[in-house]
Amino acid sequence: ELKVEQNPLFLSMQEGKNYTIYCNYSTTSDRLYWYRQDPGKSLESLFVLLSNGAVKQEGRLMASLDTKARLSTLHITAAVHDLSATYFCAVDYRVYGGSQGNLIFGKGTKLSVKP
Amino acid sequence: NAGVTQTPKFRVLKTGQSMTLLCAQDMNHEYMYWYRQDPGMGLRLIHYSVGEGTTAKGEVPDGYNVSRLKKQNFLLGLESAAPSQTSVYFCASSSGYNQETQYFGPGTRLLVL
Repeated sequence: ELKVEQNPLFLSMQEGKNYTIYCNYSTTSDRLYWYRQDPGKSLESLFVLLSNGAVKQEGRLMASLDTKARLSTLHITAAVHDLSATYFCAVDYRVYGGSQGNLIFGKGTKLSVKP
Repeated sequence: NAGVTQTPKFRVLKTGQSMTLLCAQDMNHEYMYWYRQDPGMGLRLIHYSVGEGTTAKGEVPDGYNVSRLKKQNFLLGLESAAPSQTSVYFCASSSGYNQETQYFGPGTRLLVL
């Protein structure tokens, strides 16, 4: 059974600071996704990481994937208030040899950026 | 494009009542999914479909049924609602091609009293 663990689950940080959110998973997978959810809203896709060593960056967010360590990180640089949201990682879990697996989500990291 | 839409947005049910949630997508996606989200939890997959006329169980299927009679629609049914089914339900779709992310609907808030 694939398990996905995020830490921390809650993160309060000051504007301008850097921090990293970690996503560990328990079985082999080479596809990992990061999503953002604002309160009361739907999920928005941030990054798709498809291979070992993949690194993607968008604005103040950078995501990476280490499939050997079964670890993905979401790094926040010089945080601003607009980044306050809940961030989920999700790992692709192949079933029945299909071309696309199902996603197993972590519990999410609730980020609060304060002035 | 509207993307993924869900109806209704909010519903209150009494224990034992039934209802159907509708998900529609206009992106011609093959794959569609139903998730539930509970406080402090990530999303958990209820059922999914890899094409018109097909459905399969996800992680938490008990108490739910689904149907995919048309490619663009995916229905989630609760035959006899229970308080434990109080949750926010999200529908998602994807093309089914490798590498693509899932696109999520706005969610349906369901309260079962």
